[in-house]
Amino acid sequence: DAGVTQSPTHLIKTRGQQVTLRCSPKSGHDTVSWYQQALGQGPQFIFQYYEEEERQRGNFPDRFSGHQFPNYSSELNVNALLLGDSALYLCASSLEAVRGFYSSGNTIYFGEGSWLTVV
Amino acid sequence: AQSVSQHNHHVILSEAASLELGCNYSYGGTVNLFWYVQYPGQHLQLLLKYFSGDPLVKGIKGFEAEFIKSKFSFNLRKPSVQWSDTAEYFCAAGGRRALTFGSGTRLQVQP
Repeated sequence: DAGVTQSPTHLIKTRGQQVTLRCSPKSGHDTVSWYQQALGQGPQFIFQYYEEEERQRGNFPDRFSGHQFPNYSSELNVNALLLGDSALYLCASSLEAVRGFYSSGNTIYFGEGSWLTVV
Repeated sequence: AQSVSQHNHHVILSEAASLELGCNYSYGGTVNLFWYVQYPGQHLQLLLKYFSGDPLVKGIKGFEAEFIKSKFSFNLRKPSVQWSDTAEYFCAAGGRRALTFGSGTRLQVQP
């Protein structure tokens, strides 16, 4: 059990619609990142949230937005869906360390993902 | 630009064969390197990670990887694979916050 839970596990949307995906981080974790994994590709970083603020963003358009709540859970929103948004969306959680995100003791945990199909 | 390349897209081995999966990275500054595995229908799991120190890193399930700075490589190895190692393997490089993944290698181990 990864400890990171995502919902829904599968969903189908129509082009132009909007979607919200949810993530609960592993207990005790305060940092949430979102990744998009298209079929046959490796995950691509969308953005990261810490202390309810987006603090780094990958190369994704503004149609992709997010939110982090006081309990550290997070949402990913995608507006005006395109066929190309069909992918597995992964949530990753970790604990921010004093020395920075990638201190050697800081392990990143991934959820099982939400499969989004846009038709 | 940061990038990670995995040379082998699909590898088929027989049980007990040795495994080596290639990974090259292009990264400015301090780089942290990871190998993740994704079994069918399961979440990404960390196999091993390199931050500093001994360039030969041992991970779970008998996997190891060697960081060769001069070659910008971080290849994954296992001396004897099992059928249960059938999965997709991802190499990743991390900067301060985000991970950059390679496109993955699908490993199929035949009994």
